[in-house]
Amino acid sequence: GAVVSQHPSRVICKSGTSVKIECRSLDFQATTMFWYRQFPKQSLMLMATSNEGSKATYEQGVEKDKFLINHASLTLSTLTVTSAHPEDSSFYICSARDIGGPTGELFFGEGSRLTVL
Amino acid sequence: SQQGEEDPQALSIQEGENATMNCSYKTSINNLQWYRQNSGRGLVHLILIRSNEREKHSGRLRVTLDTSKKSSSLLITASRAADTASYFCATAQAAGNKLTFGGGTRVLVKP
Repeated sequence: GAVVSQHPSRVICKSGTSVKIECRSLDFQATTMFWYRQFPKQSLMLMATSNEGSKATYEQGVEKDKFLINHASLTLSTLTVTSAHPEDSSFYICSARDIGGPTGELFFGEGSRLTVL
Repeated sequence: SQQGEEDPQALSIQEGENATMNCSYKTSINNLQWYRQNSGRGLVHLILIRSNEREKHSGRLRVTLDTSKKSSSLLITASRAADTASYFCATAQAAGNKLTFGGGTRVLVKP
């Protein structure tokens, strides 16, 4: 099946620094990727829809200047958490839609756990 | 806001028993999907059921969809300890579109 890779899987940073998380579709092309965050024992909340070659679409309440999304190619989207604070500590998961796929299935990465000290 | 609500929030069963969990949603959908998540890991796609389908099977999994009640159920038969995980339903209003997740059901299968 289609594989989505996220990197890094875990990152610890100091408050005030910026962290970049990469999401790659390894064996398919994805014009659209989605970024979710998940707090412990909670569900996934959609943060933004990343569109190749254009600006991301952010969900209500998500600060676009804090969570910068870049989708520069058909296989890579990045999420940068700028000036991270402890409340940004979370599990961030990306998913991608295969443009060549026949179904509506989305493929998920393994997630990136961010801890801000 | 979450589209789906899942019931129960947690479920503890013995190996070999069946596990049933339910999902309700609010708006019209194109499809509903079920995912499994092991602790601290990404999501694994289990099954997708389209709005014009009523039931679907995949191995030990059985999913039903009742669009009139805006609800779905996931049945895991003959559960195994390896089925211990959180299970999420997710709805899409259009094929391949963003998914809105339910709150999840944490399933513990005791050996």
